[in-house]
Amino acid sequence: GESVGLHLPTLSVQEGDNSIINCAYSNSASDYFIWYKQESGKGPQFIIDIRSNMDKRQGQRVTVLLNKTVKHLSLQIAATQPGDSAVYFCAEIPLSNDYKLSFGAGTTVTVRA
Amino acid sequence: NAGVTQTPKFQVLKTGQSMTLQCAQDMNHNSMYWYRQDPGMGLRLIYYSASEGTTDKGEVPNGYNVSRLNKREFSLRLESAAPSQTSVYFCASSKVTATYGYTFGSGTRLTVV
Repeated sequence: GESVGLHLPTLSVQEGDNSIINCAYSNSASDYFIWYKQESGKGPQFIIDIRSNMDKRQGQRVTVLLNKTVKHLSLQIAATQPGDSAVYFCAEIPLSNDYKLSFGAGTTVTVRA
Repeated sequence: NAGVTQTPKFQVLKTGQSMTLQCAQDMNHNSMYWYRQDPGMGLRLIYYSASEGTTDKGEVPNGYNVSRLNKREFSLRLESAAPSQTSVYFCASSKVTATYGYTFGSGTRLTVV
């Protein structure tokens, strides 16, 4: 069935280091993937997206990599800052219904000073 | 712009009571969504409305009803609250499909005792 999951529920990173957050998905028919950031007490915020016909996309300090062979998605954050402390979710849009987003369980990132 | 506004922010209900969660967006978006977020489970879709006048079930619709009052407003009703409905509820909107990106509200924290 459709599911999106993250490899690790928590990640602790030293300020200034790069962060890598991983996500495995099971629906090979998904066409579109999105990473969201959720700070405490707030709703999720869009970070970056990638279509299934791409394997890499870069934004400001963030890069998303998509490996369709092993159904793996990752979010890389360069030079992690204290403001990057949050819960990160990967989400997919199934081809069967492009109104729906299916979310993974999330990874909590804590940045150490 | 206010974006997506949810009311109330917090609510405590007794088992069996009813209430309506309100959501309004000012971005002229066509689609609106209700999600619930439980610890360790990510966000799960309850109902969505692809356009004014239409509503559809998501993953976890049991115990809920929705109304798309107009293009701006999408309400979620709990007719007889149960402790299992204790959760954080998020409303979101998108211009058309989820590929246009969701904008989330800040959430309603509901406790049913």
